Amino acid sequence: AQSVAQPEDQVNVAEGNPLTVKCTYSVSGNPYLFWYVQYPNRGLQFLLKYITGDNLVKGSYGFEAEFNKSQTSFHLKKPSALVSDSALYFCAVRDVNQGGKLIFGQGTELSVKP
Amino acid sequence: DVKVTQSSRYLVKRTGEKVFLECVQDMDHENMFWYRQDPGLGLRLIYFSYDVKMKEKGDIPEGYSVSREKKERFSLILESASTNQTSMYLCASSLAGQGVYNEQFFGPGTRLTVL
Repeated sequence: AQSVAQPEDQVNVAEGNPLTVKCTYSVSGNPYLFWYVQYPNRGLQFLLKYITGDNLVKGSYGFEAEFNKSQTSFHLKKPSALVSDSALYFCAVRDVNQGGKLIFGQGTELSVKP
Repeated sequence: DVKVTQSSRYLVKRTGEKVFLECVQDMDHENMFWYRQDPGLGLRLIYFSYDVKMKEKGDIPEGYSVSREKKERFSLILESASTNQTSMYLCASSLAGQGVYNEQFFGPGTRLTVL
């Protein structure tokens, strides 16, 4: 079965420190992976995606994600966290059976303290 | 920029009422989706549509129906609202076709409270 797991419900980081939000996936074939961010009382905003090619993908707002095929992971990273990065982050993978669909993780709440 | 709009940001309804949630996208996307979002459960797909007048059940379709009479508009209908349908509802759209990698664009959400 296809699935996405975000093992941490919450991540706490001090401003200026690097941050990592973890995501692992299970899918047959080539995975197409996405990260979204949701600010309070808002819809989801697209951050970045991995389709093929370079394992390090750069996205919006200084975020990047590293695709690791052997570990089936797609962790979201940022070298220096900002208080304004505090939000809910979702990882998603394309459904290989129904190409239009995305399968979302449960979400990780990121809190960046000054 | 793709814009997905939803008819209401906040909605309060009574148990048993029929509720319509409207979603409109302006980028000629073929695919449209309705999700509900609940704390600790992430996003759960209710229904989706690949084309006008087409619909497919998602993971939690019970108690909901949808309508897609025009390409840009996708409506979610709660036939008889119940308190367990109190939730945040998110609409999304995406392009379809070979070589297109299904990035979805989301509306701002409708927070529905059923009393």
